[in-house]
Amino acid sequence: GEDVEQSLFLSVREGDSSVINCTYTDSSSTYLYWYKQEPGAGLQLLTYIFSNMDMKQDQRLTVLLNKKDKHLSLRIADTQTGDSAIYFCAELGLDGGSQGNLIFGKGTKLSVKP
Amino acid sequence: DTEVTQTPKHLVMGMTNKKSLKCEQHMGHRAMYWYKQKAKKPPELMFVYSYEKLSINESVPSRFSPECPNSSLLNLHLHALQPEDSALYLCASSQGTLPSYEQYFGPGTRLTVT
Repeated sequence: GEDVEQSLFLSVREGDSSVINCTYTDSSSTYLYWYKQEPGAGLQLLTYIFSNMDMKQDQRLTVLLNKKDKHLSLRIADTQTGDSAIYFCAELGLDGGSQGNLIFGKGTKLSVKP
Repeated sequence: DTEVTQTPKHLVMGMTNKKSLKCEQHMGHRAMYWYKQKAKKPPELMFVYSYEKLSINESVPSRFSPECPNSSLLNLHLHALQPEDSALYLCASSQGTLPSYEQYFGPGTRLTVT
């Protein structure tokens, strides 16, 4: 079955770049997503990448996809204290034709120190 | 309007109570989802509605009963819950269930079962 792995914690200083890594197992994944969850809140879609792309940039966010290694990363440039949150990597599970089934990693808690 | 709203924000209920969670979106999305998120865990899919019909039920106990009265509303009826059902319940919507349609999440209802 599908599985998504992430490191649990990352701590950076304000102004530095943050890189959050994710590995996934389903080679048929067509879309991979990054969601942000602030304490006590729902999930906010940050960005997504289609599997035929290697990189996608959106303002301070850069997503890199290595399909051969099934590795996805999210780079946040000039990290701010407001970026402190849990970041979930997710792939779309297409197991048995189940569409819309997002498989989430356990989440990486990003702490930004002033 | 790119918002998914959920009510109530918090709910405390006893094991013999019957209550309902509500979710609403006015983005014209035709797919709606219920996820359950336990503390410090990723969200897990419970149900998917596509064009107001239940398309996925991820082996959820019958004490959770979803309902989609129209394309903008999604309810989750709760009856005879157990303390282990305490969690954050997230609603999401998307244009459809194809992978190219990203899911937008509501803020969640934090449910405590006593």
